[in-house]
Amino acid sequence: GNSVTQMEGPVTLSEEAFLTINCTYTATGYPSLFWYVQYPGEGLQLLLKATKADDKGSNKGFEATYRKETTSFHLEKGSVQVSDSAVYFCARTRQAGTALIFGKGTTLSVSS
Amino acid sequence: EPEVTQTPSHQVTQMGQEVILRCVPISNHLYFYWYRQILGQKVEFLVSFYNNEISEKSEIFDDQFSVERPDGSNFTLKIRSTKLEDSAMYFCASRVTSGGTDTQYFGPGTRLTVL
Repeated sequence: GNSVTQMEGPVTLSEEAFLTINCTYTATGYPSLFWYVQYPGEGLQLLLKATKADDKGSNKGFEATYRKETTSFHLEKGSVQVSDSAVYFCARTRQAGTALIFGKGTTLSVSS
Repeated sequence: EPEVTQTPSHQVTQMGQEVILRCVPISNHLYFYWYRQILGQKVEFLVSFYNNEISEKSEIFDDQFSVERPDGSNFTLKIRSTKLEDSAMYFCASRVTSGGTDTQYFGPGTRLTVL
């Protein structure tokens, strides 16, 4: 089917640790891929995106590369901060139309 | 920076009642969306709206639901005869154009609790 699967949380890290949140997708075409972040009490904010294979999205030290061969879009950051604590959602565009299909979200908790 | 706003932030209702969730999209945006997230589950697409009509909808968006843009600023989701399983966080989103790469901007959500 058409879905997005991301690793279960919560992910608990110490400040300055390396972060990876895995995301894989299924699709019959080549969707655009997104990472959204939700800070406590706020809406979903776009963190980064990639629109075609081998594209790398980056923002605020986070990166993710569109891997067609593994149908993945893993989120990485070299050194997390306490302020990165939030819920992270991987998403892709639907087969037809413009709406998004989301993963379940991964909660990241960073302690100092 | 412009943002999508939603009211109320929390709505409590009795089963069988009707609720209207309100959203004010960003002013120059043309496409509007509703999503929902049942506690502990993924964010799910409900419906999209463009040029005063529904452009896409998911299998979740049945006759119980309707959307409307009653004036130049508001975008509403009406849920008739609410059920316990309608309890969820409902997110509104908007975007400027129809391109697949354009960013959707989300509101903070309305938490609906059906008792």
